[in-house]
Amino acid sequence: DTGVSQDPRHKITKRGQNVTFRCDPISEHNRLYWYRQTLGQGPEFLTYFQNEAQLEKSRLLSDRFSAERPKGSFSTLEIQRTEQGDSAMYLCASSPAEDEQYFGPGTRLTVT
Amino acid sequence: AQTVTQSQPEMSVQEAETVTLSCTYDTSESNYYLFWYKQPPSRQMILVIRQEAYKQQNATENRFSVNFQKAAKSFSLKISDSQLGDTAMYFCATETSGSRLTFGEGTQLTVNP
Repeated sequence: DTGVSQDPRHKITKRGQNVTFRCDPISEHNRLYWYRQTLGQGPEFLTYFQNEAQLEKSRLLSDRFSAERPKGSFSTLEIQRTEQGDSAMYLCASSPAEDEQYFGPGTRLTVT
Repeated sequence: AQTVTQSQPEMSVQEAETVTLSCTYDTSESNYYLFWYKQPPSRQMILVIRQEAYKQQNATENRFSVNFQKAAKSFSLKISDSQLGDTAMYFCATETSGSRLTFGEGTQLTVNP
């Protein structure tokens, strides 16, 4: 069991650029979640997938954000036209059906 | 909507002593789960302990135990025999069946030698 992995671990981008993050869940987990965490705060839910279906999206997920999980395995989170307010840690988690969520190390995004 | 409140932004404890972290929550769901997660300085979130709301017995995991008061919507974490490696941010969270986790603001715990 290799755990949840995320790539890249750090990303620095200029305002207005597009960025894409990848999450690889634990292999047998059919649920995958994305959260955003700003400094000193608890994570906030963004969206989640059951297999390839995106079942829920937060109001935090503006039109500039899109997430996919095309084959029910890895997932990508894309942010278009990044803004400074997008600077945060983006966390991915996976779970086997209705059970505890296992978190990855996160991708830290800095928008300059 | 669910809300989680952690009223202690920071706490400290001496090594080997016991500390209790507080958490209150609000939910309209009848079936839900409660969690404590730990986030060390490396920032990977680790599950410490979980409690199913329908279970009256308080969960225990080695040095970690909870005091779950369902009527009061309170879910505190007790850490016994504190160790230096327990230094971390601790988050209380709720989850309804199969869906999102709702986290509190966190409590930064420092264990002093």
